[in-house]
Amino acid sequence: DAGVIQSPRHEVTEMGQEVTLRCKPISGHNSLFWYRQTMMRGLELLIYFNNNVPIDDSGMPEDRFSAKMPNASFSTLKIQPSEPRDSAVYFCASSPRRDLYGYTFGSGTRLTVV
Amino acid sequence: RKEVEQDPGPFNVPEGATVAFNCTYSNSASQSFFWYRQDCRKEPKLLMSVYSSGNEDGRFTAQLNRASQYISLLIRDSKLSDSATYLCVVNDRGSTLGRLYFGRGTQLTVWP
Repeated sequence: DAGVIQSPRHEVTEMGQEVTLRCKPISGHNSLFWYRQTMMRGLELLIYFNNNVPIDDSGMPEDRFSAKMPNASFSTLKIQPSEPRDSAVYFCASSPRRDLYGYTFGSGTRLTVV
Repeated sequence: RKEVEQDPGPFNVPEGATVAFNCTYSNSASQSFFWYRQDCRKEPKLLMSVYSSGNEDGRFTAQLNRASQYISLLIRDSKLSDSATYLCVVNDRGSTLGRLYFGRGTQLTVWP
C-alpha cells in the first residue's frame, strides 16, 4: 500500500491567494483527519470525516478554511483567502476505525504564506 | 488545561543510556493511549500502543497509570537512531468520539 498521499509537498503562496491541499487516504480506511502543526501550538485537529461525512469541524480556525471529501479516496482542505498566520505543516491522516487504532499520517504539506 | 501535557525536553543522553518520558492527560474517560515518534521534518508515526497492564516492544516499555492519568515511555540501551520527538497521544471518549489529542512532544537527542 502506498500509504496516505498528500500533495503538494511544499506550497509557497502570497497572502490573499487561495490554497488547496489534497489527500488520498489508505484504501479501506473509513476515517480521515486533517491536522495542522506549528511550533507554537503543536498538532491540532482541524476536521475529521467518517465514511466521507464531516463529523467534527470544531478545530477549523475560521470561515476561510473549508474541507471536503467527495468520495472515499479523496479529500481537500482549502484556505481562501490565505494569511501569513496560516503558515504551518498540514497533515492528513487516515484510520480504519475512529478511535481504537492509531492513525497513519501522510508526509504533510509545508505551507508558507508570504 | 491542555488535554495532554508532556515535558518538552530536550533530553540529551549518550548511547546506551536509559531514558524515560512522562505524560499526563486530563480526561479520565480516555480509553486509548499511544506513543508516536516524529523525526525532524517528517510525519508522526505510531511507535506503540499503551495497554493498561503495561507493554514492551524490544527496548521500549510503555506504562499506564489510570488512577493518576499518567503515561510513561522507557527507552533502554539508547541508539543514535532513537533521536526524535516522542508524542504522547490520548483519545477522547468523553466528548467527540474518536478524537485524538497529541501532546507537544518530548525531544530526545542521543549522542555518540
